[in-house]
Amino acid sequence: SAVISQKPSRDICQRGTSLTIQCQVDSQVTMMFWYRQQPGQSLTLIATANQGSEATYESGFVIDKFPISRPNLTFSTLTVSNMSPEDSSIYLCSVAVSGLEQYFGPGTRLTVT
Amino acid sequence: GENVEQHPSTLSVQEGDSAVIKCTYSDSASNYFPWYKQELGKRPQLIIDIRSNVGEKKDQRIAVTLNKTAKHFSLHITETQPEDSAVYFCAAKSGDDKIIFGKGTRLHILP
Repeated sequence: SAVISQKPSRDICQRGTSLTIQCQVDSQVTMMFWYRQQPGQSLTLIATANQGSEATYESGFVIDKFPISRPNLTFSTLTVSNMSPEDSSIYLCSVAVSGLEQYFGPGTRLTVT
Repeated sequence: GENVEQHPSTLSVQEGDSAVIKCTYSDSASNYFPWYKQELGKRPQLIIDIRSNVGEKKDQRIAVTLNKTAKHFSLHITETQPEDSAVYFCAAKSGDDKIIFGKGTRLHILP
């Protein structure tokens, strides 16, 4: 498996502002992903963070709203831009180990007021 | 793209009895099927997985079965215990390496 950390663990933000979430892994991984989990719901894939190139976004998610960086094989950031209350959710990064098994970070609980 | 359906959404079983959660997937190219357990306020944890070239896999009280022809896979928990209470998610890894999740099953173990 992999040890995954996220910062911040939680935040309360005003609408219209942006928050950048960091994900750090203790070993180099090929694939990193960002998910959103709204209260009581399942996990929805936002995008695949590609090292050295633009992220690949899922339907319904766009780069202007959720810009992602992946400067190396152990680190990625997700920014939630121009936030509204609908963006209140838990954001989780995930990494693929050995190509198949996927593990999750502890999540960032975001509340937008 | 891949679509994963999961049933039931809620399941209550008596402690000591068995629990079964069923999922179907749509993409015949999917080749990896993990199951995650998520306790309240915690991250999803990978508890067992199965690859498309295997029909069944067991790990102590947990087993998974896969029927590729029918595109069904199931999680079986035997001799359930209070600590098994959680939300369980099935998932499928499609040909483009993305893991798509079912909607989850909230499992209650009754004393």
